[in-house]
Amino acid sequence: EPEVTQTPSHQVTQMGQEVILRCVPISNHLYFYWYRQILGQKVEFLVSFYNNEISEKSEIFDDQFSVERPDGSNFTLKIRSTKLEDSAMYFCASSDNRDPYFGPGTRLTVT
Amino acid sequence: QKEVEQNSGPLSVPEGAIASLNCTYSDRGSQSFFWYRQYSGKSPELIMFIYSNGDKEDGRFTAQLNKASQYVSLLIRDSQPSDSATYLCAVVTNAGGTSYGKLTFGQGTILTVHP
Repeated sequence: EPEVTQTPSHQVTQMGQEVILRCVPISNHLYFYWYRQILGQKVEFLVSFYNNEISEKSEIFDDQFSVERPDGSNFTLKIRSTKLEDSAMYFCASSDNRDPYFGPGTRLTVT
Repeated sequence: QKEVEQNSGPLSVPEGAIASLNCTYSDRGSQSFFWYRQYSGKSPELIMFIYSNGDKEDGRFTAQLNKASQYVSLLIRDSQPSDSATYLCAVVTNAGGTSYGKLTFGQGTILTVHP
């Protein structure tokens, strides 16, 4: 069964460093999303991406965040200068305009 | 502010019983409703979706939607210890096009099924 994959599974970084989280969506899906979940809190929408551009973003997704689809398979989330409060699980999801399926997540720890 | 509310629990049921999980949402324009299961430290796993008023059954799971009351529920029949997890209710408003995957999640209900 096709699935969304994400790398790395765990990323530890120092405050102020840049990180890139990677995702490979399900191959025939056209819509891509990033969500995050701070420990013990709700899953929160960050951004949606369609047709090589951002279609919607939340207030969390400020200038420190960017997304890119550098080739036909990968979808990345970049955080330019990480803060302690960026520590969370980051989930990539994809859909074929119906039900979003989530990847396993990347645990980002900012020290 | 679009809100999705769930009773955080924990909800504890004996093995074989029916577990009933509830969710309310504030935006009357919400159109699509999802139930995800999340094991500790793992990603949300889609269990069911429902778009129309009424019941939808899939195996041991039944989703119920009442748009007039802005209420959606999930029933798990013959609960098993492996069903122990956090159950997340998620809602989409303005479904269609690129907004489809913009889910607003509730805080989740912790379910424990004890043998």
